[in-house]
Amino acid sequence: DTGVSQDPRHKITKRGQNVTFRCDPISEHNRLYWYRQTLGQGPEFLTYFQNEAQLEKSRLLSDRFSAERPKGSFSTLEIQRTEQGDSAMYLCASSQFELTYEQYFGPGTRLTVT
Amino acid sequence: DAKTTQPPSMDCAEGRAANLPCNHSTISGNEYVYWYRQIHSQGPQYIIHGLKNNETNEMASLIITEDRKSSTLILPHATLRDTAVYYCIAPSGGGADGLTFGKGTHLIIQP
Repeated sequence: DTGVSQDPRHKITKRGQNVTFRCDPISEHNRLYWYRQTLGQGPEFLTYFQNEAQLEKSRLLSDRFSAERPKGSFSTLEIQRTEQGDSAMYLCASSQFELTYEQYFGPGTRLTVT
Repeated sequence: DAKTTQPPSMDCAEGRAANLPCNHSTISGNEYVYWYRQIHSQGPQYIIHGLKNNETNEMASLIITEDRKSSTLILPHATLRDTAVYYCIAPSGGGADGLTFGKGTHLIIQP
């Protein structure tokens, strides 16, 4: 069990640029979640995949955000035309079982928009 | 999700038991109580969850009152590495809607 991995760990970008983050869940986990965390706050749910299907999206996920999980394994989160307000830690989590909130989180990608 | 209330911060001496309280007076009969923690600059870490009965694993014990309106997470022998923000969550969905984290309790273990 190698855990959930995320890449990159840190990203600095200029306002208006596009960025993409990758998450590799624990191999046998079919559920994958993305969260965002700003300084001093708890993580906020963004979106959820079961296998390759995106089944839930938070209202926080604006049109500039898109997430994919093309083969039901790794996932990507893309932010287009980044804004300074997008600066945050982006966390990925995976889960194996249905009807449970036992999730395993990756280390996160810290995004800084200048 | 049921509303949960936790103290913003707590101190505990190293080697002593850390007892973290959580109130969830509006919890419904089928809502579990989950505990996570987040060590500085890391992702949250699942600790334990329970419905009615007390639960114990290698990390902690969870004591849920009989009326289910409150619970206590117990770290039996706290170490400096247990310094973290601890979140008590009582989600109401089937796992598809993500977790709703509040502000949690910042537990500081004192040497």
